[in-house]
Amino acid sequence: DTEVTQTPKHLVMGMTNKKSLKCEQHMGHRAMYWYKQKAKKPPELMFVYSYEKLSINESVPSRFSPECPNSSLLNLHLHALQPEDSALYLCASSQVTGTRETQYFGPGTRLLVL
Amino acid sequence: AQSVAQPEDQVNVAEGNPLTVKCTYSVSGNPYLFWYVQYPNRGLQFLLKYITGDNLVKGSYGFEAEFNKSQTSFHLKKPSALVSDSALYFCAVRGVTGGGNKLTFGTGTQLKVEL
Repeated sequence: DTEVTQTPKHLVMGMTNKKSLKCEQHMGHRAMYWYKQKAKKPPELMFVYSYEKLSINESVPSRFSPECPNSSLLNLHLHALQPEDSALYLCASSQVTGTRETQYFGPGTRLLVL
Repeated sequence: AQSVAQPEDQVNVAEGNPLTVKCTYSVSGNPYLFWYVQYPNRGLQFLLKYITGDNLVKGSYGFEAEFNKSQTSFHLKKPSALVSDSALYFCAVRGVTGGGNKLTFGTGTQLKVEL
């Protein structure tokens, strides 16, 4: 089973709202990732967690705040977003971080910021 | 730095015909290459990967890819296309160097299979 689940599927928020995206996997993977994807473009890496510790932050604005409460869960807390942050947010996981490892993606949360 | 190029924004194929989606890469050291497919409003689905060994890699849904070191290419192929193969395809590369084993994606190729 290579399933990564994400909730919610869709989210509409105002620029002053606070919301969270949730990602879950039960494959025993110890690396988890957040990506942002604009329409018809490749995913852009935002954050990488390895063994529940943040290992990569791709210079993401502080209005995005990741959290990894345990090895199965990954959250992305959103606050004071801008309309240009509207995108598909993808979560992925892999056994560990490493060049040979396959990343498995969730279905994404489609975010609209008004 | 590592990079991937997908030279075609769109590929059109008739159902039943063979299809090829092109990918070339640039990486220091050994390349680790991946193909993903994305259906509308969905996440990315893993198709196949090349790590080492046999240059012809077989993957999901009848897809295969041929690794060619001299041409630095990793083209995705299928002998007989289906309308249901219509989707956005991403090639990706991972190198030993280049920022924490980061997965670098190409710009994507839209595949359209018509009856």
